[in-house]
Amino acid sequence: GIQVEQSPPDLILQEGANSTLRCNFSDSVNNLQWFHQNPWGQLINLFYIPSGTKQNGRLSATTVATERYSLLYISSSQTTDSGVYFCAVTTGTASKLTFGTGTRLQVTL
Amino acid sequence: DGGITQSPKYLFRKEGQNVTLSCEQNLNHDAMYWYRQDPGQGLRLIYYSQIVNDFQKGDIAEGYSVSREKKESFPLTVTSAQKNPTAFYLCASSITSGEASNQPQHFGDGTRLSIL
Repeated sequence: GIQVEQSPPDLILQEGANSTLRCNFSDSVNNLQWFHQNPWGQLINLFYIPSGTKQNGRLSATTVATERYSLLYISSSQTTDSGVYFCAVTTGTASKLTFGTGTRLQVTL
Repeated sequence: DGGITQSPKYLFRKEGQNVTLSCEQNLNHDAMYWYRQDPGQGLRLIYYSQIVNDFQKGDIAEGYSVSREKKESFPLTVTSAQKNPTAFYLCASSITSGEASNQPQHFGDGTRLSIL
């Protein structure tokens, strides 16, 4: 099956810093989503981005489907950005999401 | 408010007992999914259903069962055959179309299951 790798696995930032999270996938995809899982376990949709670039406030994402990677940019990070960021993909005719192992982000004061 | 409701938030199971986790959605989505998350890991698919009265096994279906009698409901039963049920369980739903896999999935807030 498809492999989804995220990097870095862990990231510590000072408040106000910028960061880039990467998601590599081993096959062509129909759907790619970025999620933020907060400390209470809630999984929050950030972007649905099988290709192209989208922006939402301090967050933006770019997926280059032909090169099989996606990037999530966080600018001016805040402590509320802490948690785990997952990318997840679907391929072929399957509607199930295959998740990466996540990037754990901690934003400190 | 439209959304996905999972209950209960916390559940404790005794050895040899079956327990059922509830998932209800009022988004009028056709497809529903159950995922399991172990500590420090990503989510893995247990079962999914694209239409009423039909469902398919995911990657880790052993020890679990589901039903889909109504469009808005997709309960998951953790049976006594599941030897390591302690985990965080998340339910999701999505619109389906001719290209079902293109639609984003939306998640409930999860149920934490522990063994007594």
